[in-house]
Amino acid sequence: GQQLNQSPQSMFIQEGEDVSMNCTSSSIFNTWLWYKQDPGEGPVLLIALYKAGELTSNGRLTAQFGITRKDSFLNISASIPSDVGIYFCAGQLGGTSYGKLTFGQGTILTVHP
Amino acid sequence: GAGVSQTPSNKVTEKGKYVELRCDPISGHTALYWYRQSLGQGPEFLIYFQGTGAADDSGLPNDRFFAVRPEGSVSTLKIQRTERGDSAVYLCASSGRQGTPLHFGNGTRLTVT
Repeated sequence: GQQLNQSPQSMFIQEGEDVSMNCTSSSIFNTWLWYKQDPGEGPVLLIALYKAGELTSNGRLTAQFGITRKDSFLNISASIPSDVGIYFCAGQLGGTSYGKLTFGQGTILTVHP
Repeated sequence: GAGVSQTPSNKVTEKGKYVELRCDPISGHTALYWYRQSLGQGPEFLIYFQGTGAADDSGLPNDRFFAVRPEGSVSTLKIQRTERGDSAVYLCASSGRQGTPLHFGNGTRLTVT
């Protein structure tokens, strides 16, 4: 089946630093999504990208949908302690596969005050 | 309004037993999804309902897994003859019209001893 490779697996940063993580796929997707998951909770959508090449921001978060439709990255600027959590990328084909997301393995983010 | 509600939040069962996991989607959401998340991994798609019918059950691992949504609202994921490898967090999500984001519940943590 399809696989998403997400990197890095974990990051340890100081408060105030910028963070970058990315996701690559062997197959194309029509939508890329970035989620954050806190312990004991379900994933929460951060950013959705619908067009190849699209660059979208949500506060301190910026994400891009790769031109090839096989990759995406997420940047977090000026990190704060509440950014701690696990970040997942997810790809979606759409059409009859709508709602069937393929997730990456996650990036564990730790922010030191 | 309320988010996606899943019960129980935790379930411990013995190998070979039958379990039912319940999901109450956001009111008015027609689409409902089940995902399974193993430790240290991203969620994996199991099944997708549009209304009462299963539109895509390609992610169900084998015939021990079954899900229903008889009235197009609440859904139950049923696992027969549980195995230790079934231990995971089972996540439910719902969405409104096609193209709108998935909203995840906090999951049911299933432990098979």
